[in-house]
Amino acid sequence: DGGITQSPKYLFRKEGQNVTLSCEQNLNHDAMYWYRQDPGQGLRLIYYSQIVNDFQKGDIAEGYSVSREKKESFPLTVTSAQKNPTAFYLCASSQTGGLRRQYFGPGTRLTVT
Amino acid sequence: QQQVKQSPQSLIVQKGGISIINCAYENTAFDYFPWYQQFPGKGPALLIAIRPDVSEKKEGRFTISFNKSAKQFSLHIMDSQPGDSATYFCAALDGQNFVFGPGTRLSVLP
Repeated sequence: DGGITQSPKYLFRKEGQNVTLSCEQNLNHDAMYWYRQDPGQGLRLIYYSQIVNDFQKGDIAEGYSVSREKKESFPLTVTSAQKNPTAFYLCASSQTGGLRRQYFGPGTRLTVT
Repeated sequence: QQQVKQSPQSLIVQKGGISIINCAYENTAFDYFPWYQQFPGKGPALLIAIRPDVSEKKEGRFTISFNKSAKQFSLHIMDSQPGDSATYFCAALDGQNFVFGPGTRLSVLP
């Protein structure tokens, strides 16, 4: 059963704590992405990676960090520097050539109080 | 120039009607235009996509119309059903990254 898994589905943290969101894919895709979605809004790109051990900042990277040590994994850390971290976080993957069909995970809803 | 504009913000359609969502862009480097459907609390799922060298693509009840000269594209949902009630996002690919429209919340009344 191929796809993208994100865990956990819901995450609660106290303000000032770092938290890491998991994203794993078994689609053999080279590219992986992290998006943030706020209520009633579109998707904003946080970070993306086209290949292992390489990643680039997206439009709203401040307060976030990522790593890409394995092709199938792209964890996102929400640091205490992120001023408004409560949001729905979506991970996606795609091939880097051709039609680049992008597949999304089920998302993680992070609540920071 | 990286922005993708989408309208309307919300749409209410009667069952059996046609739902039309429009998107516009400025960046002529965009070369792939997908539409996504998202249900509450779920990740978006690819619905249908088009390349700029094609003016129309149809898959079942879903059709994309593409106007390259006007830099506009639209999603038409024929015979809309209550199960189509969701948020729809258009997007555009600039070679590396996808730029998303703000979304349209569609409600299909039974």
